[in-house]
Amino acid sequence: TQLLEQSPQFLSIQEGENLTVYCNSSSVFSSLQWYRQEPGEGPVLLVTVVTGGEVKKLKRLTFQFGDARKDSSLHITAAQPGDTGLYLCAGARRSGGSNYKLTFGKGTLLTVNP
Amino acid sequence: DAMVIQNPRYQVTQFGKPVTLSCSQTLNHNVMYWYQQKSSQAPKLLFHYYDKDFNNEADTPDNFQSRRPNTSFCFLDIRSPGLGDAAMYLCATSSPPGINEFFGPGTRLTVL
Repeated sequence: TQLLEQSPQFLSIQEGENLTVYCNSSSVFSSLQWYRQEPGEGPVLLVTVVTGGEVKKLKRLTFQFGDARKDSSLHITAAQPGDTGLYLCAGARRSGGSNYKLTFGKGTLLTVNP
Repeated sequence: DAMVIQNPRYQVTQFGKPVTLSCSQTLNHNVMYWYQQKSSQAPKLLFHYYDKDFNNEADTPDNFQSRRPNTSFCFLDIRSPGLGDAAMYLCATSSPPGINEFFGPGTRLTVL
């Protein structure tokens, strides 16, 4: 069973602070995706990283894929209350033929207090 | 707008009464997935279709079945729901597989 360790599991910070969420695995992934999920809704795709060492920026969010494609981080600068939500990382691996499956981390529940 | 649609958003059923959840997509993606997500947990893959090719996860209970009559639609059938099946059920699509999975808004299933 593939494991994707995500940390921290819970994070409560004040508006304006910076934070980093980590996803780590002992296995190589062909791609890694980050999602944000609000209560009662489905996960919304934020970014997909594919190349080892890749860095992508989405406004105040910076995503990095490790050189070995086994780990990833999400850094949020100057967090705002609207960033509150469950952040999920998910690694894609081939499961046979042309099939791929996502392995999800357990998620980081972020609360940004005004 | 291209999207993944799930109906209904909220479903209440009785213990043991069959229920069907539906998913449709306008993205024309060839892969469709069904996940189960319980409170404060990550989504758990139940099964997926690559075109018409059905792939069941080894630990998905026999109580759960799926149908994909065409590219756009996919159904999740729970033959005899138990209290433990109460969860959010998420449909997702991707193309190519493994890149950019797009999720629907989910169906919250309550079992009484």
